Order: sequence, then C-alpha cells, then structure tokens
Amino acid sequence: DQQVKQNSPSLSVQEGRISILNCDYTNSMFDYFLWYKKYPAEGPTFLISISSIKDKNEDGRFTVFLNKSAKHLSLHIVPSQPGDSAVYFCAARRNSGNTPLVFGKGTRLSVIA
Amino acid sequence: ETGVTQTPRHLVMGMTNKKSLKCEQHLGHNAMYWYKQSAKKPLELMFVYSLEERVENNSVPSRFSPECPNSSHLFLHLHTLQPEDSALYLCASSQYPGLDTGELFFGEGSRLTVL
Repeated sequence: DQQVKQNSPSLSVQEGRISILNCDYTNSMFDYFLWYKKYPAEGPTFLISISSIKDKNEDGRFTVFLNKSAKHLSLHIVPSQPGDSAVYFCAARRNSGNTPLVFGKGTRLSVIA
Repeated sequence: ETGVTQTPRHLVMGMTNKKSLKCEQHLGHNAMYWYKQSAKKPLELMFVYSLEERVENNSVPSRFSPECPNSSHLFLHLHTLQPEDSALYLCASSQYPGLDTGELFFGEGSRLTVL
C-alpha cells in the first residue's frame, strides 16, 4: 500500500508558466516532507523540504505548500524553465525514530520552450 | 570527487551470474542506503547501514546481499537474479540519526539488466 502518492505520472508546462506538482500521503505520522529532482542518468538531488509545523516554504522559484488536514503537498515552480524538465519525487518521513524516507513514484515534468 | 560514486553505471548479467555493485561516499556520512527504482514504481528502500551495521532490511530476497565494510563503502552482491530484478539501483548516504532535513545524497545509479 503506497503511503506517498503522486497521481500524475507526467506534466507538460509552457516555459514561463507555473508548474504545480502534487503529492498525497496516507500516513498521519509523517512530519517531514521533501522533494527530489532527477535528471536522466543521474541520481535524485534534494530540492526543497518542509516540516509539518509550517504550511509553506519558499526557495527562489520553488515553493512547497503543505495542507496537513488534507494530507497533501504541492511543489510550485514559477516561472518554469526548460532546465526544470526532470522527474520530481515527493518523499516523506517521521522526524522521530530515524525512519527512512518513503518516496512516491515521481512525476515527469516537461517544460516546453 | 563527487559525493556518492557508484560503479558500474551499467551492468548486464545472466540469471546464473554473480556480480557486485559498488558505492563509495566522500561526504563523511555514517549511513548508507540501497534503493531500487523500477519503471512506474516508487523508489523502494532495500537496505540501510548505520555505522556499518545493517539497521533496515525491507524484505529483500536473499539473492541480493549487501555488505558494508566501512562507513564509506557499500556493496550489493547479486546472485541468481531474475529478469524482474532489472532496474536502476541507487546508493545514497546521510548522517544517521537523520539530519533534520532527512536529506539523502544519491549516487548516479547502476542500471542493471538481467537476461
């Protein structure tokens, strides 16, 4: 049973527009959430994270929103650039007990020039 | 030196072969991980080593055998694999107990094809 779900396998966005990648989770014990970005032939790299005590975290063009009541988080990229084209993985963990990250299946973002 | 290095990057093996994947981290971390990435599936955690002791083993078949001789090196020994084991195998490292960010640093992966 998947605890972290990314229901959109792919997303296409025009350059300059906003990209919104969604992620849902089922485990209410998760209290730390991360987004990783993966280019072909490379390993995933950490992008941005958010703790459950916050509902928003912003880093440049990337903003992550967390809705705890809905068990939903989203990654906003604005403006989108062709170099943002990659697979984005949502991940979650419990901050206590040193539990490993649980990943979603990923969403492939294509930013079209 | 990049942070986490995996070799080989590509491996093709028959079902009766024995091979090994190697991972080396240069980040001074004390935990290392093996993840499996199959098409259309989430990244699946296979093994976690902390301070060279295995702390997590997610019901992985015994045909996969990890080895962690020291905090900088991690191996995945492969024996009598099945075609469905074909996947991208990713090594990662972190500080354990986890950093507040829970951030993992991944290698580029080893693409395994089992014929």
